[in-house]
Amino acid sequence: DQQVKQNSPSLSVQEGRISILNCDYTNSMFDYFLWYKKYPAEGPTFLISISSIKDKNEDGRFTVFLNKSAKHLSLHIVPSQPGDSAVYFCASWVSGTYKYIFGTGTRLKVLA
Amino acid sequence: DVKVTQSSRYLVKRTGEKVFLECVQDMDHENMFWYRQDPGLGLRLIYFSYDVKMKEKGDIPEGYSVSREKKERFSLILESASTNQTSMYLCASTQTAGPANTGELFFGEGSRLTVL
Repeated sequence: DQQVKQNSPSLSVQEGRISILNCDYTNSMFDYFLWYKKYPAEGPTFLISISSIKDKNEDGRFTVFLNKSAKHLSLHIVPSQPGDSAVYFCASWVSGTYKYIFGTGTRLKVLA
Repeated sequence: DVKVTQSSRYLVKRTGEKVFLECVQDMDHENMFWYRQDPGLGLRLIYFSYDVKMKEKGDIPEGYSVSREKKERFSLILESASTNQTSMYLCASTQTAGPANTGELFFGEGSRLTVL
């Protein structure tokens, strides 16, 4: 079973507050995870990634946390800005293959 | 900067027509991918290619074929378009799958196909 799940289809957050986007995966062979942001009518753009040998990776306002025992990762955006309003996709590279599996996406709306 | 260019941003085709979606990348990447994005379904892999003339089926290859005659170009072909193939099609490339080279996928801007 090779699934990446984003159970929250949408999220609204006030500007300046923290946005937390969640992702669960089912296969312990997944060992590299990526987050992408997508605006309407544009291709996804890479945000941040994390390898399974780490539990945290930080890049500016974006931090990804990985909990391998729970097969869960989360993306934290602090502080949230209106320009962060987009659809966020969680993805995993399947170890030993060329495949990337994507979640269904979470639409984030940051309210000014 | 890496650039992945998809030839058509918007297309409208009739049922039964043959459709070609072209994708070109300028970073000499070995691996190229075609995804489709549909609301509530996320990005689903149609086909990928890890070398010239090499291709493998993704999760939803039915109704599609691909061609990779040159390293920089990866084409998606709908032999006989159907209304359920109305979607956003996204091409992507990467040098090395996985963490050896960040494993980042670079995407094109997408091709919105409507089949009437």
